[in-house]
Amino acid sequence: EVQLVESGGGLVQPGGSLRLSCEASRFTLSTYWMHWVRQVPGKGLVWVSLISSDGRIITHADSVKGRFTISRDNAKNTLYLQMNSLRAEDTALYYCARDYGYDYAIDMWGQGTMVTVSS
Amino acid sequence: SSELTQDPAVSVALGQTVTITCQGDSLRSWYVSWYQQKPGQAPVLVMYGKTIRPSGIPDRFSGSTSGDTASLTITGAQAEDEADYYCNSRHSSGNQLVVFGGGTKLTVL
Repeated sequence: EVQLVESGGGLVQPGGSLRLSCEASRFTLSTYWMHWVRQVPGKGLVWVSLISSDGRIITHADSVKGRFTISRDNAKNTLYLQMNSLRAEDTALYYCARDYGYDYAIDMWGQGTMVTVSS
Repeated sequence: SSELTQDPAVSVALGQTVTITCQGDSLRSWYVSWYQQKPGQAPVLVMYGKTIRPSGIPDRFSGSTSGDTASLTITGAQAEDEADYYCNSRHSSGNQLVVFGGGTKLTVL
């Protein structure tokens, strides 16, 4: 099945770090731009980060700029999100998502990995 | 706050027509996409490029844009259409930034 599978979420203390991974299954990640999108349970979708297919273009939402870094290893068919200096407000379900073009339409989403920042 | 504005909640009687809107300056220049999200599930793309339906999405879903407002219309709403709906597009700055609307909870009565 063509899918995205996230991993790496968990409980972390404020100020801590976590690295999320997203492995593409049955398709070649290198041909797609990719996103991370997060969602606090019961709340709306919030875009976090974007990376071009070759990794040369990277953007982050202001709320995570300087703390989070998106990256990719196309040889491993895997997308990453390095999260540093975590805050309570970063607590959310983090989705890996595939860009479809058309001004950042997203045609495929993983099931998400939960990140909880709490002492 | 979101750069794309959606009504928090909309309701429709079973079989009737409902329109969900998304407003923002970026929609004057960039395409909008729409997503359906049911409880406990990941979002699903239901419309992109303003009016294009992905394969598998029923033709009762349609889209349009006028000025700074995009609309997702469900003609003959079904019980299974009850869900949260989100719009997204490029940020109004045109840079490689992305924005989502706050979401609309659709209730089918």
